[in-house]
Formats: sequence, C-alpha cells, structure tokens
Amino acid sequence: QKEVEQDPGPLSVPEGAIVSLNCTYSNSAFQYFMWYRQYSRKGPELLMYTYSSGNKEDGRFTAQVDKSSKYISLFIRDSQPSDSATYLCAMWGIIQGAQKLVFGQGTRLTINP
Amino acid sequence: DAGITQSPRHKVTETGTPVTLRCHQTENHRYMYWYRQDPGHGLRLIHYSYGVKDTDKGEVSDGYSVSRSKTEDFLLTLESATSSQTSVYFCATRTGWNQPQHFGDGTRLSIL
Repeated sequence: QKEVEQDPGPLSVPEGAIVSLNCTYSNSAFQYFMWYRQYSRKGPELLMYTYSSGNKEDGRFTAQVDKSSKYISLFIRDSQPSDSATYLCAMWGIIQGAQKLVFGQGTRLTINP
Repeated sequence: DAGITQSPRHKVTETGTPVTLRCHQTENHRYMYWYRQDPGHGLRLIHYSYGVKDTDKGEVSDGYSVSRSKTEDFLLTLESATSSQTSVYFCATRTGWNQPQHFGDGTRLSIL
C-alpha cells in the first residue's frame, strides 16, 4: 500500500464547475499537508499549506484536512481554463525519527471552456 | 517565485557519460533537494542538503552524487549516465524544517 494515494485522473470538467481533488494517506504521523499545481513543463507551484484539521481558504481554493479519516481535499470554485494543470498533494511528518515528505502521483485536471 | 534557477533546462547525452545538473537559489534557504519525476512514480527524492557540505541520500540515490560548496548552489552528478536516468529533474528549497518546499522549473534529461 502506498503511503499517499491520489487518483491520477484525468479529470475533465466544464468551466465554472466546482472541482474536488482528494488524497488519502496511511500514516498518522503526517502533520503538514500541501497542495501543489504543476503546469506542463514547469515545476510544482505551492498552492496551499496547512497543519491542522479543518478548512483553509485562499481565493477560489479551499484546502480541507480530516486527520481522523486520513483524508485531504482541495476544492476549486468557479473553475477557469487557466486552472488546467496537474495537482499534487504532499504531506510531511517525522517518521521513525526522520523527516519525510511524500507526494501523491498527481491528478491531471482539464477545465473545458 | 523562490528564486530557483536550474541549468541546463534540457540536455541530451549518451550512455556512460558524466552529467552535472546545477541548482542555484537566491533566497539563502538552508535546505535544498533534488527530485526526479517519472510517469507512474511521481516525485522521488534523490539527495538533499541541510547546509553547506552537509548532504544525505534520498530514496533513489543509486548512481547519483551531490555537492554543496556554497549556500546558493547544489549540484547533482550522474557519474556514468544510464538510460534509466532519463527523467525530469527538479530542485527544491525550503527555509526551515516545517516549511514547504519551493521548486525550480526542472531539467529535462535524455540519455540515449
């Protein structure tokens, strides 16, 4: 079982839709949770960074963390064609005495005009 | 933009040749990382550095070495490139132990 599971998609939705992207994880030692956006032929760009369970909002983006279920989500409201990209979840914790950052495989998202 | 520049951006080389990739940062971040990104595998850590001359191995370090002689530069070397090392290589930095990483735009490396 992978430490972090993320559906690779692809996911295609019409412009203006609400998009929900999700990751599950297996190790409760993960403490910090991130979402990155990666455009084609570019590096991952940090979108959201959260620590505690609950919601964090930034413009059209909302990150949700449920530590009890080991489940994180990224919601995109009023999706735009410019949101078309691959979205990577990532999580960090101290596991067996060492810092560990694990990425999901990424979900490829297309927003259709 | 975390001020990370990777060079070269693209490189094609032959099996058996040495290759060095450079990561340069302008933010004075303490921690620097090298990843490779491959379809089906996502981002995998090769090596990382927690200070000048302080480096350690990641999960896929075989066939790679690194050096960090200055805070701003982190070099990744493939001593004798193999076709399995064809990949996109990303450098990342972060300021502190509980801060997120920021990435450069990658080097596309093809080994024929």
